[in-house]
Amino acid sequence: DAKTTQPPSMDCAEGRAANLPCNHSTISGNEYVYWYRQIHSQGPQYIIHGLKNNETNEMASLIITEDRKSSTLILPHATLRDTAVYYCIVRGSLQGAQKLVFGQGTRLTINP
Amino acid sequence: DSGVTQTPKHLITATGQRVTLRCSPRSGDLSVYWYQQSLDQGLQFLIQYYNGEERAKGNILERFSAQQFPDLHSELNLSSLELGDSALYFCASSVGSQNQPQHFGDGTRLSIL
Repeated sequence: DAKTTQPPSMDCAEGRAANLPCNHSTISGNEYVYWYRQIHSQGPQYIIHGLKNNETNEMASLIITEDRKSSTLILPHATLRDTAVYYCIVRGSLQGAQKLVFGQGTRLTINP
Repeated sequence: DSGVTQTPKHLITATGQRVTLRCSPRSGDLSVYWYQQSLDQGLQFLIQYYNGEERAKGNILERFSAQQFPDLHSELNLSSLELGDSALYFCASSVGSQNQPQHFGDGTRLSIL
């Protein structure tokens, strides 16, 4: 699975959009980009995933660059409850390649 | 609520003992995954089962074993426990399709005294 690079920490004001970047320059054609977050010591929470098209759901939007070497997770109106560690994970779709490899993630702090 | 249930939430035991952690996957999910999260190692994949069969192994110690039963619930057995086994143990489940997301339970916090 391709390696990802994320900033260790970010701050965002409550009510503003939080944009979390992720670099995955070695991503291959069959690998998806997944985003999870972990609030304190709770179980990681699935946010969104995509292959090459931009994706949006009720939680966030995922913007993947055309060359697929980087992506951005957007939380449109951040709240204090969005304070968490956010993980960007690249995972293949081939048989047996289903484990998630977690890096250090980005610690996002939403400030009032 | 992810739909994945893990029991117990907390477990305190002593070195040398054996414990069993239980996981009930989301309804309809065939794959179960176990992860360990310790302070110094982060989240590490241990093992995956799919419809009762072992599918993939990660950094799982020989003292640890797992199984998935016909009703699809899974158990992680940890034996000859050491202080370093103190960690959060998470179970996740997915439908089984390669690009479907995994959904995590709230974990079991294991403390070895």
